[in-house]
Amino acid sequence: AQSVTQLDSQVPVFEEAPVELRCNYSSSVSVYLFWYVQYPNQGLQLLLKYLSGSTLVESINGFEAEFNKSQTSFHLRKPSVHISDTAEYFCAVGMDSSYKLIFGSGTRLLVRP
Amino acid sequence: DTAVSQTPKYLVTQMGNDKSIKCEQNLGHDTMYWYKQDSKKFLKIMFSYNNKELIINETVPNRFSPKSPDKAHLNLHINSLELGDSAVYFCASSRLGDTQYFGPGTRLTVL
Repeated sequence: AQSVTQLDSQVPVFEEAPVELRCNYSSSVSVYLFWYVQYPNQGLQLLLKYLSGSTLVESINGFEAEFNKSQTSFHLRKPSVHISDTAEYFCAVGMDSSYKLIFGSGTRLLVRP
Repeated sequence: DTAVSQTPKYLVTQMGNDKSIKCEQNLGHDTMYWYKQDSKKFLKIMFSYNNKELIINETVPNRFSPKSPDKAHLNLHINSLELGDSAVYFCASSRLGDTQYFGPGTRLTVL
């Protein structure tokens, strides 16, 4: 069975500092990997995804994630965060054979001035 | 030009009542989903329809019944509501096997 682990439930960080949100998954088959962001009282928005090809994927707002098959990880990074990045971040794994997403428990990124 | 919309946004009701949540997508996708997010923010899939056919049916009480009248709509009907049904319910859509796009959620509170 597939599972996703986000070890950090909350990550506090000062504005303009770098941040890494960790995501590890377990699966015996090839997977697709996603990061979704949920701002307060809003729905989920796709941040970035890995389907195939280059293992480093980037979003338009400065986040990036690297797929590491040997470590079964897909950590999310940003070199300099803004107050507006405060949100809940969800890592998810999907397989085209089952058409469903398995989500991690989420990491709350709290950016302080 | 909302991509995935849900109604209502908030739903407060008494235990034992029957309620429905509606979802519509204008992305031309053929697959739609219902997810439940509990009070700890944990997200879990409930159902999925592809071209109006049920393809995912997780372990969900049979008080929950999804209905897809066409490819652009997926509704969720809940009978005999219980306190534990309180959650945020998210609809999503995609092309089969592709990236899922989520609606804004419906916050259900059962009193």
